[in-house]
Amino acid sequence: AQTVTQSQPEMSVQEAETVTLSCTYDTSESDYYLFWYKQPPSRQMILVIRQEAYKQQNATENRFSVNFQKAAKSFSLKISDSQLGDAAMYFCASPDEYNNNDMRFGAGTRLTVKP
Amino acid sequence: NAGVTQTPKFRVLKTGQSMTLLCAQDMNHEYMYWYRQDPGMGLRLIHYSVGEGTTAKGEVPDGYNVSRLKKQNFLLGLESAAPSQTSVYFCASSWRGRPGELFFGEGSRLTVL
Repeated sequence: AQTVTQSQPEMSVQEAETVTLSCTYDTSESDYYLFWYKQPPSRQMILVIRQEAYKQQNATENRFSVNFQKAAKSFSLKISDSQLGDAAMYFCASPDEYNNNDMRFGAGTRLTVKP
Repeated sequence: NAGVTQTPKFRVLKTGQSMTLLCAQDMNHEYMYWYRQDPGMGLRLIHYSVGEGTTAKGEVPDGYNVSRLKKQNFLLGLESAAPSQTSVYFCASSWRGRPGELFFGEGSRLTVL
């Protein structure tokens, strides 16, 4: 089964600076998707960014971008120009290789943004 | 702009009691899911549905049942609640052709005493 690992339980960043959240995963598939989700204190999770493994170009959504290293099975999230509203739990996720409907989530990284 | 709505938001049960969580989505999504979130463990899939009248087991299905009688609703039932089922439950939905792009509800916090 798919394993998604986030090794940083907590991270902090100064407002306006850049922070990178790490994620590694394990799969035998060659074509798959990877996702980052944000869960603010309100609890409702929202999709931040998606990466398709067959695309070599790293995905970008405004201030959010990924560093996708397929050979290393690494999928990190970079947040540029951090804002107070970025404070949240961030979850890395990927569908299980045997069941695309079973999304596997990492344990999460709590990001604090300091003013 | 309702999106995915879960009821109730909070519930306290005694061991052995039963209850049903209701999830409703107004985006006409084909797929619906129930996850549970426990501290330090991320989200884990309980059951899911790929269409009206169909359900399937996820990673942690034991102790739960689900039904999807209407496309817009997905019910999660606990027949005999146990303290191990104390958790925050999230419903999500998605389009058939967009795997992993989940739209979540706000969660339901369940405590079993």
